[in-house]
Amino acid sequence: AQSVTQLGSHVSVSEGALVLLRCNYSSSVPPYLFWYVQYPNQGLQLLLKYTSAATLVKGINGFEAEFKKSETSFHLTKPSAHMSDAAEYFCAVTRTGGGADGLTFGKGTHLIIQP
Amino acid sequence: DTGVSQDPRHKITKRGQNVTFRCDPISEHNRLYWYRQTLGQGPEFLTYFQNEAQLEKSRLLSDRFSAERPKGSFSTLEIQRTEQGDSAMYLCASSFGPATGNTIYFGEGSWLTVV
Repeated sequence: AQSVTQLGSHVSVSEGALVLLRCNYSSSVPPYLFWYVQYPNQGLQLLLKYTSAATLVKGINGFEAEFKKSETSFHLTKPSAHMSDAAEYFCAVTRTGGGADGLTFGKGTHLIIQP
Repeated sequence: DTGVSQDPRHKITKRGQNVTFRCDPISEHNRLYWYRQTLGQGPEFLTYFQNEAQLEKSRLLSDRFSAERPKGSFSTLEIQRTEQGDSAMYLCASSFGPATGNTIYFGEGSWLTVV
């Protein structure tokens, strides 16, 4: 079964600093990987997705992620953090096999931006 | 193009009562998913539909839970004889096709509190 592990339940960075949120995946088939963001009391919004077209994926709000097969990683980065980036971030992988569909999510990383 | 709509957004109910949530997907999306999210956790897959057919149910979906999508458009999730452990946010999502080739769009979620 496919799964993702997010390292660090909380990450704190200063405004203007680099944001790095870590995600490692486990998949028996070539994975499709996603990053979603969730603001308080809201649903999930797609930031970006990897579908094997390019290993470096650019998303909304200045975020990007790089797929590294050798490291089974799909870390999310942003060069300069803004206060508005404070939210919960989820890495996800497609559920496949035996008629399965949808996504399996990690436990999330809470991003805190210090002024 | 309106997004995924869920109703009600918040529901407080007494233990033992039945509750029903409604989801209206993005029009023309043939796949519809239900997820459950508890505090501090990522969304967990419950079930999904392709048109009106329910194709997969998670073991998390006990006998007290039932989901329907009678005409392949909106869907309902009913919880019978609610328990305090059912307190969570129930997220609905939709896509034009399987997750491996399509973006899954999420609604704002329906918060359930069982007292």
